[in-house]
Amino acid sequence: GAGVSQTPSNKVTEKGKYVELRCDPISGHTALYWYRQSLGQGPEFLIYFQGTGAADDSGLPNDRFFAVRPEGSVSTLKIQRTERGDSAVYLCASSLLGQGHSPLHFGNGTRLTVT
Amino acid sequence: EDQVTQSPEALRLQEGESSSLNCSYTVSGLRGLFWYRQDPGKGPEFLFTLYSAGEEKEKERLKATLTKKESFLHITAPKPEDSATYLCAVQARDDKIIFGKGTRLHILP
Repeated sequence: GAGVSQTPSNKVTEKGKYVELRCDPISGHTALYWYRQSLGQGPEFLIYFQGTGAADDSGLPNDRFFAVRPEGSVSTLKIQRTERGDSAVYLCASSLLGQGHSPLHFGNGTRLTVT
Repeated sequence: EDQVTQSPEALRLQEGESSSLNCSYTVSGLRGLFWYRQDPGKGPEFLFTLYSAGEEKEKERLKATLTKKESFLHITAPKPEDSATYLCAVQARDDKIIFGKGTRLHILP
């Protein structure tokens, strides 16, 4: 079956621009997580959704970052006024949270480069 | 504060040379501990879930164990294709899942 899909796979943008990163989770997965991974580091938690609502957004670094999941499926991570320090791989994962201790299934990420 | 610490940061082994990777954790109400494998340019791939101290899971050359403070990933007679970054993660009571920085494993033929 289809796994987690993230688009685009690569995004290059200029400092100060706005970007949107999209995540299509596995069908039927109720939980969706966003992480940011810098080179040589582990995934850093940003936000997770249970259904349509953000259950925990404590990892969002500042108010330039925002994420939505309006219908409980596809999610979009939005970054305003991008800075060079935002350059990283943004990973999305989904799971069957609430049905046991379900592991995360990851997409291959969006590599964001801010020039 | 919930925390996951992995050691060593990097490990080079000869093919067939067994070793262990460590994951120490501090978490409020552990709901599960996960091990993932990550290859360059890919997202992490799930390996194991451990729920309680004393539990063990095995898959091919890998075996994961769990105590109240740490988990080990034992690699027996590794092959070059086992080269990857191995990530440990914990799921807390609030369902937040946090990761360690990973161990980069390189198996030399």
